[in-house]
Amino acid sequence: ETGVTQTPRHLVMGMTNKKSLKCEQHLGHNAMYWYKQSAKKPLELMFVYNFKEQTENNSVPSRFSPECPNSSHLFLHLHTLQPEDSALYLCASSLGTGGLYEQYFGPGTRLTVT
Amino acid sequence: KQEVTQIPAALSVPEGENLVLNCSFTDSAIYNLQWFRQDPGKGLTSLLLIQSSQREQTSGRLNASLDKSSGRSTLYIAASQPGDSATYLCAVRLDSNYQLIWGAGTKLIIKP
Repeated sequence: ETGVTQTPRHLVMGMTNKKSLKCEQHLGHNAMYWYKQSAKKPLELMFVYNFKEQTENNSVPSRFSPECPNSSHLFLHLHTLQPEDSALYLCASSLGTGGLYEQYFGPGTRLTVT
Repeated sequence: KQEVTQIPAALSVPEGENLVLNCSFTDSAIYNLQWFRQDPGKGLTSLLLIQSSQREQTSGRLNASLDKSSGRSTLYIAASQPGDSATYLCAVRLDSNYQLIWGAGTKLIIKP
């Protein structure tokens, strides 16, 4: 276990549904990240939060809405998704956002959009 | 624009063999390079991190090398075991911030 948990582990949703992904870290870190991993493609960074403030939005469509109420919790709110949004969504955390700080990953949420 | 490539996409070898996984990157101006392991249903686990000033790092049966001038890194696994079966990802950091540029991974299967 890396100290980063994600729920749910699997999610199937229709294109008109609204759902949320949750990430929690128990490492005392200050930075949290959302990544998207599509089949046979490199990981794509979506959002970065540092001390609860969003520092990166990597041109992510507005149907993905992140929320970071505190340094330990990170949410990804989903609405009106498309089938191409089906992927593994990974959460990560690090002590800081500098290059010396290693990122620790959660197990991911496997999302299927029907 | 930095691109990271991992070839092959999949590899299957008998147990006990030594093997090499490859990672190449287009821009040699990197801060560091990291190898990760990803198991189904689990997150990514960091295996080795090589700073730009280093040539290699070792951990147990794993050895990672870095040749910045040629834009290549290799992950050497000695005496492979079925438990080594996983997807191995390579990622480079361009400068001293959090941005990681990822390869698509090599899926490794070790046959008993």
